[in-house]
This record gives sequence, structure tokens and C-alpha cells, in this order.
Amino acid sequence: GNSVTQMEGPVTLSEEAFLTINCTYTATGYPSLFWYVQYPGEGLQLLLKATKADDKGSNKGFEATYRKETTSFHLEKGSVQVSDSAVYFCALRPSGAGSYQLTFGKGTKLSVIP
Amino acid sequence: EPEVTQTPSHQVTQMGQEVILRCVPISNHLYFYWYRQILGQKVEFLVSFYNNEISEKSEIFDDQFSVERPDGSNFTLKIRSTKLEDSAMYFCASTLPFGVTTNEKLFFGSGTQLSVL
Repeated sequence: GNSVTQMEGPVTLSEEAFLTINCTYTATGYPSLFWYVQYPGEGLQLLLKATKADDKGSNKGFEATYRKETTSFHLEKGSVQVSDSAVYFCALRPSGAGSYQLTFGKGTKLSVIP
Repeated sequence: EPEVTQTPSHQVTQMGQEVILRCVPISNHLYFYWYRQILGQKVEFLVSFYNNEISEKSEIFDDQFSVERPDGSNFTLKIRSTKLEDSAMYFCASTLPFGVTTNEKLFFGSGTQLSVL
């Protein structure tokens, strides 16, 4: 079956540090890949997505590249801010799926300190 | 940006009781979903609902669960006889049908924390 594995948290960084959150997946074909973010007290929000191999999703300074050869979709940001403190979820949607039956990772909690 | 609204934010119930979790999806959306997250575990898909019927469901979504769109705005998840292991955060989500736009995405509510005692 499909699965998503992301690095365990929590992750604590100083402001302006470089962020990487690893995500690897198992799925047949070419799934769509997503990063969702959950700020305290809020629902999950789409951060970025990529729908085919070598696509790079980007938003708010975050980036992730769909790597078919390593089945990975690592999230990066060059300089984190305190406002980036949240839980980050990697997810996939199977290729050919007609709805949003997503498979999620466990989530990685990021805390950014001033 | 439009929002998916869930009520209540916290629900406490006794084991064996029925609970109904409520959601108001975004008004022009047609696909509705329930996901849940047990503390420390992954967010898991439960069910999707389209055109007044279940379109997909996971193995978690057994006979104890049901969904309903009782009117034009609400979408509910009912658990008939709650168990301790049903304690989780339940997320409602909605979207336009896949393929309607090139930039469709899934909108989530902020969740209902269900505690079964």
C-alpha cells in the first residue's frame, strides 16, 4: 500500500537557520505530493505541491522537489522565522485518484526561537 | 480565504455513547471528507462523500461510523457507540471535484478533539 515517512520531530531551530524536513514515500506510479502546515489552533493548510517528477513546489520561501529516483519530497527553507513554528505534514495522493484520499506522514513539529 | 467550519472544537463523551461531529464545508464545494489523527499518529483518511453518497472509505470506517449531509450546508460524522480508541482529532475537509481547476486544493477545518472516557 501507499505510505509516507517523514523525519521525527520536534525540530528546534534558531531564527534564520536553514530548515530541512525529510519525506520519503512508497507508492506505485506517479503520485502527487504535498506539504501541509498546521499552525496552532488551526486546520491543515496546503503549503506546496508537486504533481510530477522533477517538479518543484514553492510557497512562502519553502521549496520541495519531487524526486522519483529517491522517492523523496524533502521540504527546505533557507531562513526560518518564528512565524514558521508549526507542524508540517508530508502527504501523497495516488496517481489517477479522482478525489483527495491522501496518505499522510506523522507530522514534524518545528519550533523556531528568536 | 473561505473556511471549513467544525463544531464543537472539543467533545467529551462516555464510552458507548453516540456522538455527532459537525462540519460546514465551503459553500460551492462538492467533495467532502473526514480524516482523523490519533495523538502521536498519522493523519488518516476515513471517508469521502460526493453527490449524496460515500465515494471512498477506509478500513477504519466500519459500521460504527456514518456520514450525512442533512441539508445544503452541513456535513456530519456520527459514531454510533464510541470506544476508547475513537479518541482523536477529527478533521473535516472539502474541495471542488478533482480536475475542475488546475489549482484545486483540499481545505481543512480546524478539527474536533474527541475524548472518549
